[in-house]
Amino acid sequence: EAEVAQSPRYKITEKSQAVAFWCDPISGHATLYWYRQILGQGPELLVQFQDESVVDDSQLPKDRFSAERLKGVDSTLKIQPAELGDSAMYLCASSPVPGFNYGYTFGSGTRLTVV
Amino acid sequence: QKEVEQNSGPLSVPEGAIASLNCTYSDRGSQSFFWYRQYSGKSPELIMSIYSNGDKEDGRFTAQLNKASQYVSLLIRDSQPSDSATYLCAASGNTPLVFGKGTRLSVIA
Repeated sequence: EAEVAQSPRYKITEKSQAVAFWCDPISGHATLYWYRQILGQGPELLVQFQDESVVDDSQLPKDRFSAERLKGVDSTLKIQPAELGDSAMYLCASSPVPGFNYGYTFGSGTRLTVV
Repeated sequence: QKEVEQNSGPLSVPEGAIASLNCTYSDRGSQSFFWYRQYSGKSPELIMSIYSNGDKEDGRFTAQLNKASQYVSLLIRDSQPSDSATYLCAASGNTPLVFGKGTRLSVIA
């Protein structure tokens, strides 16, 4: 069964350091999403890509977060500098087409702890 | 602001009972609705989707949708201890999924 790959699974970093997460969507999926899930909350959208273009990054804290999907395949989410409040699970998901939503599959996530 | 509301629980049910999880949504343009199950420390797993009013059954799970009331529910029959998890409700128009905060379910053996 096709999967969304994410790495690393866990990351501990000191505040003010830079951290990066990687996501490889299901092959052929044009749409990629990054969500953040704070403990006890539901996932919240950070950014949506359609191929290599950003479709929605309205909730991305752009002073410290950046996201790219240069060749329209895998994607990297970066935080610089990390803050204590960034401790969360970062989830990646993909879907084959935009528009009507048939639901999507999440990767295993990256659990970030900022100390 | 599109919102999905869920009772955070915990909801405790005895083994073998029916668990009933509820969700309301604010965006009348929402067309598709989903239930995800999330075990502690794991990522959400899609278990049910529903797009039209009425009931949809899949094994022990039944999703119910009432668009007029903007209400979605999930019934779990013959609840098992392995069903203990957080259940996330999500809604979407032609947009990314918007999630509720989840309801924590505990099935007591």
